[in-house]
Amino acid sequence: KNQVEQSPQSLIILEGKNCTLQCNYTVSPFSNLRWYKQDTGRGPVSLTIMTFSENTKSNGRYTATLDADTKQSSLHITASQLSDSASYICVVTKARSNDYKLSFGAGTTVTVRA
Amino acid sequence: GAVVSQHPSRVICKSGTSVKIECRSLDFQATTMFWYRQFPKQSLMLMATSNEGSKATYEQGVEKDKFLINHASLTLSTLTVTSAHPEDSSFYICSARFLAGGPLDEQFFGPGTRLTVL
Repeated sequence: KNQVEQSPQSLIILEGKNCTLQCNYTVSPFSNLRWYKQDTGRGPVSLTIMTFSENTKSNGRYTATLDADTKQSSLHITASQLSDSASYICVVTKARSNDYKLSFGAGTTVTVRA
Repeated sequence: GAVVSQHPSRVICKSGTSVKIECRSLDFQATTMFWYRQFPKQSLMLMATSNEGSKATYEQGVEKDKFLINHASLTLSTLTVTSAHPEDSSFYICSARFLAGGPLDEQFFGPGTRLTVL
């Protein structure tokens, strides 16, 4: 079972609307959680990174939240634009891990339509 | 953020040939680089961890003799797909670890290499 679960798998929204993506994880002990945006045919680009002591982090129209107690995170996209169409991946790093491997969610594919 | 480049961005080759993909950290030194493979509509799958000056560590199920990794310097790692077959066609992505210290160590991803084996 994947240690990072994302929902929904995909969603379609109209330009200008908001949307929220969910990420639940079981990775323990927890070091940090990142949200990445991956455009089709490109590598992932970091949007936000949060440690266990942070509840929210913003990057422009992207706002990530983290509840380390319930092991849940969300990514909120405000006033969506066509360029927001991409896959959004939740990635969790395990603390005290010598191999520094990341646990990837399967991603949420967001399609913004005019 | 830090920049990681990959070359080539796209390659088409015949079955049986070998293909080399380069991954470079352009503005920082990376003692550790990672190679991932991504199939359509799936997330990244770690293939191997590349450490400068030592042998790569491969994930279970990844053939080390088929996917040769060389981390020759602190800014360059190469992945060679030997005797490529159509089933090796995929999107290969590298990342480089940036040692910020503490829980904020970053991994910066390259733009990926699309490999198509005919």
